[in-house]
Amino acid sequence: EPEVTQTPSHQVTQMGQEVILRCVPISNHLYFYWYRQILGQKVEFLVSFYNNEISEKSEIFDDQFSVERPDGSNFTLKIRSTKLEDSAMYFCASSTSTDTQYFGPGTRLTVL
Amino acid sequence: EDKVVQSPLSLVVHEGDTVTLNCSYEVTNFRSLLWYKQEKKAPTFLFMLTSSGIEKKSGRLSSILDKKELFSILNITATQTGDSAVYLCAVTVSGGSNYKLTFGKGTLLTVNP
Repeated sequence: EPEVTQTPSHQVTQMGQEVILRCVPISNHLYFYWYRQILGQKVEFLVSFYNNEISEKSEIFDDQFSVERPDGSNFTLKIRSTKLEDSAMYFCASSTSTDTQYFGPGTRLTVL
Repeated sequence: EDKVVQSPLSLVVHEGDTVTLNCSYEVTNFRSLLWYKQEKKAPTFLFMLTSSGIEKKSGRLSSILDKKELFSILNITATQTGDSAVYLCAVTVSGGSNYKLTFGKGTLLTVNP
């Protein structure tokens, strides 16, 4: 069964450093999403991406964040200058034109 | 602001018990409600509901939506220890070209042997 994959599973970085989180969505999916979950809190929407552009972003998704689909298979989330409060589990999800989103296993980001 | 509220926040039962998890929502232009199971990491999809009163069923799990009263329930019968997880409810709304999920805080279910 096809699944969403994410790398790395755990990333540790120093405050102020740039990180890139990578996702490979399910191959025939058209809609891509990033969510994050701070420890003990609910899953929060960050950004959605369709037809090679951002279709919606949340207030969390400020200028420090960017997304890209560089080669037709990968979908990346870049955080330019990480802050302590960016520490969270980041989930990538993808879907076809329906609502059912399938999630990857997540990348745990720890900012020191 | 779209809001999804789940109750209870946590629940401890014994194997074999039946449980009912609740999800209520207040959103503009409701489109669908989804249930996910989250064990160690990624939420895994259980059900999507769009129509009121139609039960979705998969094995021991079932779910129903009431669009008039703005809530859904997830039932698990004959619970097993493998059902222990956080159960997440999320909604999508109509409009635009994307279907972002707005999640509740989840219900932590613990099934003891």
